[in-house]
Amino acid sequence: KAGVTQTPRYLIKTRGQQVTLSCSPISGHRSVSWYQQTPGQGLQFLFEYFSETQRNKGNFPGRFSGRQFSNSRSEMNVSTLELGDSALYLCASSVRREPRDGYTFGSGTRLTVV
Amino acid sequence: AQSVTQLGSHVSVSEGALVLLRCNYSSSVPPYLFWYVQYPNQGLQLLLKYTSAATLVKGINDFEAEFKKSETSFHLTKPSAHMSDAAEYFCAVSDRANQAGTALIFGKGTTLSVSS
Repeated sequence: KAGVTQTPRYLIKTRGQQVTLSCSPISGHRSVSWYQQTPGQGLQFLFEYFSETQRNKGNFPGRFSGRQFSNSRSEMNVSTLELGDSALYLCASSVRREPRDGYTFGSGTRLTVV
Repeated sequence: AQSVTQLGSHVSVSEGALVLLRCNYSSSVPPYLFWYVQYPNQGLQLLLKYTSAATLVKGINDFEAEFKKSETSFHLTKPSAHMSDAAEYFCAVSDRANQAGTALIFGKGTTLSVSS
């Protein structure tokens, strides 16, 4: 059974650019969440999608956005990149919107902004 | 607001010794609690979870954790450390009190080092 797949694994962008990260959840998983991991702030919740709708959002500026497609695959976009956006971005999926099930995480996309 | 505190950013043990990683939470209602492990350049792997069934929870690789409501704690233990246990460990909580319960709130993490 394939796990959560995130592409690309590594990305280098310049300040001011925009970036799109992709996440393919485990087959049958309909909920996809995104987290940002940095040395300073740790792991922080970005947003959650279920049935193509954003259901929950963390405390991040509007430059961070996402979407989910009918096949449950999700993308997140960061516009006008800042140096502080350099981080490991993790995607997590679950069958339903029930945290007691636990989440399966992907290996992440390491974004470096220069 | 929910929060998670992991005591000790770095724990060092010898191979074969007991592992104890501490986690305390704050919550208005008993939350769901999780321990995740992260190896270098990888994502998070779920070790175990507490979802209000048994207070002593057993996970993968002989890890276990005990939910103590009176102490608001969920400490992770393993009887005998192995070199392969060296990694970063995160305690997390989800808020059952409202719709935001689908978001996990993580502690700052504890790096476990195992020496031979």
